[in-house]
Amino acid sequence: DAEITQSPRHKITETGRQVTLACHQTWNHNNMFWYRQDLGHGLRLIHYSYGVQDTNKGEVSDGYSVSRSNTEDLPLTLESAASSQTSVYFCASSESSKGIADTQYFGPGTRLTVL
Amino acid sequence: AQKITQTQPGMFVQEKEAVTLDCTYDTSDPSYGLFWYKQPSSGEMIFLIYQGSYDQQNATEGRYSLNFQKARKSANLVISASQLGDSAMYFCAMGTGANNLFFGTGTRLTVIP
Repeated sequence: DAEITQSPRHKITETGRQVTLACHQTWNHNNMFWYRQDLGHGLRLIHYSYGVQDTNKGEVSDGYSVSRSNTEDLPLTLESAASSQTSVYFCASSESSKGIADTQYFGPGTRLTVL
Repeated sequence: AQKITQTQPGMFVQEKEAVTLDCTYDTSDPSYGLFWYKQPSSGEMIFLIYQGSYDQQNATEGRYSLNFQKARKSANLVISASQLGDSAMYFCAMGTGANNLFFGTGTRLTVIP
């Protein structure tokens, strides 16, 4: 069965360190997304990609970067981790747009703690 | 700008009863999709139901139905015959042609035995 996986599932790091969260999907979806979930804010979009070599900033992109070198993977990098980036991170994917947003399917999430 | 509002932070429902979770949205885009996701305590986001802005009929998926009132810009989720396993956070989301989803802050549903 097609799926979307994230690793690690839990990560503790220190302020100032670079951290990379992995996202891998076998749906063969063109679109991939990264969200963060914080209490009282729902899910907020960090970065997204519509295909290989395409990346775009979302609502809360400061301090984060992504790269898309193949269809299956969209790693999220925190350049210099800050305590404000302690959150649960979700990766999602969807098929190409049919003019209206397609259903996004989510990974299991990564809980990141920055000390 | 796109906006999703869920005004009920928490809801309680008796097992086997129906419950309605409210969602209102705001967009100037004529083409959009409305989604509901369930997040149980285990944390994963589970897609429940979708409604397109041009769909004439309300969407239905098993015990879930979406009460879509376009003029009022509301997309309420109705869960019929509630089960204990329905206890979870529920998120309403809207997507437009840009393919990004905007999420509400969620409603925590508790089903009482």
